[in-house]
Amino acid sequence: GAGVSQSPRYKVAKRGQDVALRCDPISGHVSLFWYQQALGQGPEFLTYFQNEAQLDKSGLPSDRFFAERPEGSVSTLKIQRTQQEDSAVYLCASSLGGAITNYGYTFGSGTRLTVV
Amino acid sequence: KQEVTQIPAALSVPEGENLVLNCSFTDSAIYNLQWFRQDPGKGLTSLLLIQSSQREQTSGRLNASLDKSSGRSTLYIAASQPGDSATYLCAVSVSGSARQLTFGSGTQLTVLP
Repeated sequence: GAGVSQSPRYKVAKRGQDVALRCDPISGHVSLFWYQQALGQGPEFLTYFQNEAQLDKSGLPSDRFFAERPEGSVSTLKIQRTQQEDSAVYLCASSLGGAITNYGYTFGSGTRLTVV
Repeated sequence: KQEVTQIPAALSVPEGENLVLNCSFTDSAIYNLQWFRQDPGKGLTSLLLIQSSQREQTSGRLNASLDKSSGRSTLYIAASQPGDSATYLCAVSVSGSARQLTFGSGTQLTVLP
């Protein structure tokens, strides 16, 4: 597609429920990032993939968060046993370049997760 | 740990005014700095990217400057328009990292017609 597509746009989960958020990056983009954006704050880095390899997961807040990109294209961010503090917008971004390069990022519109 | 601060948090100006948004960062060992725009309920749109070796970048009515040694960047918007109303985010890419970005909390700009 022409841009980064994320689904669902909105998700309401009951506390303790598991959720899965999907990201379809731009075709051919090597790098894929997940960010978490709390209300009124800037996005915070969660994890980074280069093709199918998860090269950095240092931003994942707990072991309840898991991300995968098995075929180097679509990625899924899974949150187990959701808690209220997980409520945020989850943004996905992709970039044509691999390691340190100057290619820009394209962000998706995000998934707004509300845990009740 | 890199920290990025944006001042002011919110700004309201009349249409046609020139304005400056400020961004500061604590670790000068950056790879590049980017300015993004975020509209309500939308993702981020990249506006300008400045490499660490550059001093400024321009695109239309936007001009971004970078002073790496002092840890500062400014985004200058000329002749503001109501369509410029959005949240503007500054982000730095730290040398040696996996290109992750560290963002500020943004400046919410409202341009009044």
